[in-house]
Amino acid sequence: SQQGEEDPQALSIQEGENATMNCSYKTSINNLQWYRQNSGRGLVHLILIRSNEREKHSGRLRVTLDTSKKSSSLLITASRAADTASYFCATAPGGSEKLVFGKGTKLTVNP
Amino acid sequence: SAVISQKPSRDICQRGTSLTIQCQVDSQVTMMFWYRQQPGQSLTLIATANQGSEATYESGFVIDKFPISRPNLTFSTLTVSNMSPEDSSIYLCSVPAVTEAFFGQGTRLTVV
Repeated sequence: SQQGEEDPQALSIQEGENATMNCSYKTSINNLQWYRQNSGRGLVHLILIRSNEREKHSGRLRVTLDTSKKSSSLLITASRAADTASYFCATAPGGSEKLVFGKGTKLTVNP
Repeated sequence: SAVISQKPSRDICQRGTSLTIQCQVDSQVTMMFWYRQQPGQSLTLIATANQGSEATYESGFVIDKFPISRPNLTFSTLTVSNMSPEDSSIYLCSVPAVTEAFFGQGTRLTVV
């Protein structure tokens, strides 16, 4: 079953703009992860935020986590055409190593 | 980190036939996971491949349809049996690590 719900499902922006994607989840978590998938290929891990963290940065990525609302957001700043991909949040309920993925946001960055 | 080689990358198959997907990991891992991604959808876990024991299937997936082998700690196969067009999906293998999971490049299966 889907743990996370992402919105928007699709996002189209111009190069240089910021892209914000949101994710909600249902159960308690130890951490939340974000992944990127290019054109239906394998997923690549972007960033992990632990349940005791509220915000984390990695390069042009900024992730926030609100455990009281069971939600997270991924911000990509100064987007590039190469950022065009689908982005998924994932959690491991109950500390399991099995990941449960959100529905994903398909991001298109127009040059 | 782990590097996973997944084969084939894509295939077009006739209904009623079976396809076996292979994943080779460059290091020994205890658990491997198999996911299905239906067109335009997210990933759904099919099963956990355990070395030395039967695979553990998630609700809605059965061994007769998706038999899994795990002969050693670096290799696993997933077979999609008696295929129908509804099985057209991307299938991915994955191995967990402490702070992230690693994925094969996926197998894009089209059943005609």
